[in-house]
Amino acid sequence: SYELTQPPSVSVSPGQTARITCSGDALPKQYTYWYQQKSGQAPVLVIYEDIKRPSGIPERFSGSSSGTMATLTISGAQVEDEADYYCYSTDSSGNHRVFGGGTKLTVL
Amino acid sequence: QVQLVESGGGLVKPGGSLRLSCAASGFTFSDYYMSWIRQTPVKGLEWVSYISSIGGTIYYADSVKGRFTISRDNAKNSLYLQMNSLRAEDTAVYYCARVRAVSGIPTYPKYWGQGTLVTVSS
Repeated sequence: SYELTQPPSVSVSPGQTARITCSGDALPKQYTYWYQQKSGQAPVLVIYEDIKRPSGIPERFSGSSSGTMATLTISGAQVEDEADYYCYSTDSSGNHRVFGGGTKLTVL
Repeated sequence: QVQLVESGGGLVKPGGSLRLSCAASGFTFSDYYMSWIRQTPVKGLEWVSYISSIGGTIYYADSVKGRFTISRDNAKNSLYLQMNSLRAEDTAVYYCARVRAVSGIPTYPKYWGQGTLVTVSS
C-alpha cells in the first residue's frame, strides 16, 4: 500500500524557520496537502495543491514540492504554531488517499 | 461559515453497532462530496468512506468494507455512518469532512468537524 513518510518531530526556537518534509513515490505526479492539528482539535488545512495557502492562513506558512518530497515551511515560527502537521496525497492511480504519519512541531 | 457537527459516538461492545451523524450548515450541503475520516494514536489518520453529492458514488476503505455504510439526507443537511460488526481496531475519533471534488473526483478534505469518539471494548 502507498505510504507518505514524515519525520516524527521537528523542533525550532521562536522566530526560526521550521521545515517539515513528506516523502512519497507518487508526489511527482500528485498534489500534496498539509494539515495543522492542535491538541484536542480537528485538523485545519494550511496548504493545498503543493503551494497554495487558504484564506486566513498566515503568510509564514508556505509549501513546495520537488521530486518525491514535499516540504511545509513555517518562516518565523511562533509558539502558537506548535502542533502536529500531517501531509496528505494520493497514490499514482489517484485511487488511494493517504495521510502521512504526522510531525510534531515544537517551538520553544 | 462552514460548520460540521458530529454526534453518535460512544462505548460499544465488539460485534455491536453504532450510527454516527454529522449535521452540516453554512453551505449548500447537496453540492458537495462528504467523507468520514478517523484517527487513532497508533494508525493516525485514515480515510474511511466518502459519498458524492447525490449519493451516486460511494467509497469504502478495505478495512471497513462490508461492515460500514455511508449515507446522506440532503433535505436534512446530514451525513451518516452506520457501523456494524464493530471491532476493537475501529476505536477512533471519527471526523466528518467536506470534500472538494474536481470533475467528479474527490480530492481533499477541506473542512472538518470536531469529531466524535467511538470506543469498541468489552
